[in-house]
Amino acid sequence: GAVVSQHPSWVICKSGTSVKIECRSLDFQATTMFWYRQFPKQSLMLMATSNEGSKATYEQGVEKDKFLINHASLTLSTLTVTSAHPEDSSFYICSAILLAGGSYEQYFGPGTRLTVT
Amino acid sequence: QKEVEQNSGPLSVPEGAIASLNCTYSDRVSQSFFWYRQYSGKSPELIMSIYSNGDKEDGRFTAQLNKASQYVSLLIRDSQPSDSATYLCAVADYKLSFGAGTTVTVRA
Repeated sequence: GAVVSQHPSWVICKSGTSVKIECRSLDFQATTMFWYRQFPKQSLMLMATSNEGSKATYEQGVEKDKFLINHASLTLSTLTVTSAHPEDSSFYICSAILLAGGSYEQYFGPGTRLTVT
Repeated sequence: QKEVEQNSGPLSVPEGAIASLNCTYSDRVSQSFFWYRQYSGKSPELIMSIYSNGDKEDGRFTAQLNKASQYVSLLIRDSQPSDSATYLCAVADYKLSFGAGTTVTVRA
């Protein structure tokens, strides 16, 4: 399968600061990546769709000014959590679409655990 | 918004048995179907994709798709303790819609 990496794998930050999370497709190009958030014992929640070279599409209820997404290349998307608060503490996971031979598969990065103190 | 329903679980099976996971979906136009495995504290890992009616086998895993019944299932044969995880059914026409997941525990 395809490989998607995330950096950092975990981060602790103080309330009010900003945190940037990187998502990279290592062995394929991804015009589309997705950002998810998962709270303990809950399912994945899609936050936004990141398209290379264009603005991200945010899901209803997700603040675009708080969660800044940049997809500057075919292998890199970044999520910046601005002015983080303790309620933003969560497991953030990106995924990337691999299109091959008419099929569509979505591969997930290992996730970034954010703790805001 | 697609609705994806999975059998609620948790599902406990003895080692070596077959674990059977079921999933139904509401959107008839969905074309792509996936099973992901998620270990506690980790991100989901794609284990099966299926696009056409029938069975698809990969090692100890078999996915079954019936579009007329809007039903997709996953069988895990010869279950091992390492199969203990939450299994997520996902349906896509572009974005993935996930079920809530079924937690499987394989008893040694």
